[in-house]
Amino acid sequence: GESVGLHLPTLSVQEGDNSIINCAYSNSASDYFIWYKQESGKGPQFIIDIRSNMDKRQGQRVTVLLNKTVKHLSLQIAATQPGDSAVYFCAENTTSGTYKYIFGTGTRLKVLA
Amino acid sequence: DTEVTQTPKHLVMGMTNKKSLKCEQHMGHRAMYWYKQKAKKPPELMFVYSYEKLSINESVPSRFSPECPNSSLLNLHLHALQPEDSALYLCASSQAGANEKLFFGSGTQLSVL
Repeated sequence: GESVGLHLPTLSVQEGDNSIINCAYSNSASDYFIWYKQESGKGPQFIIDIRSNMDKRQGQRVTVLLNKTVKHLSLQIAATQPGDSAVYFCAENTTSGTYKYIFGTGTRLKVLA
Repeated sequence: DTEVTQTPKHLVMGMTNKKSLKCEQHMGHRAMYWYKQKAKKPPELMFVYSYEKLSINESVPSRFSPECPNSSLLNLHLHALQPEDSALYLCASSQAGANEKLFFGSGTQLSVL
């Protein structure tokens, strides 16, 4: 079946450093991607999205990069803060024109003081 | 109002019980979703309603029965569940049309005994 992302890894970063979270997707036809942050006991929270006609999109302290050639998505967080500690998921719309959003396996980000 | 509200937050039920999960949004979204999330795993798509009509059913067992009584409400009726159905059930909503970000509720943590 379709799959997005890798087995759940953990990324540990020092407070103030930049974080890069990666996601590999398998469906070359996917045309929309979203990054979510999920804290313990809460639902996923929208961070940033990108459409397949773009390579890069920036938000507040976050940047998403899309490399369609190798089907790779990354989320960069600048000046990582303790409040950034959470699990991060990428999600893709696997079937253009539908509501079928599939999540990757996620990455746990730990921010070290 | 940018919230998706789910009730109850926690639910414990026996395998012979019938219960319902409820979800409500007042953002004018016309697409609503149910996802199931096991611990340390990504959310898995179950159902999608678009304009109050079932749009996607990801081959979910019939012991889960969704209902969308109006554009603001989404229910998930549960009957004869199994212990392996214990999980966090997440509701989400989005604007109608493809490539729109999903807004999630905090979920219902379900335990089946």
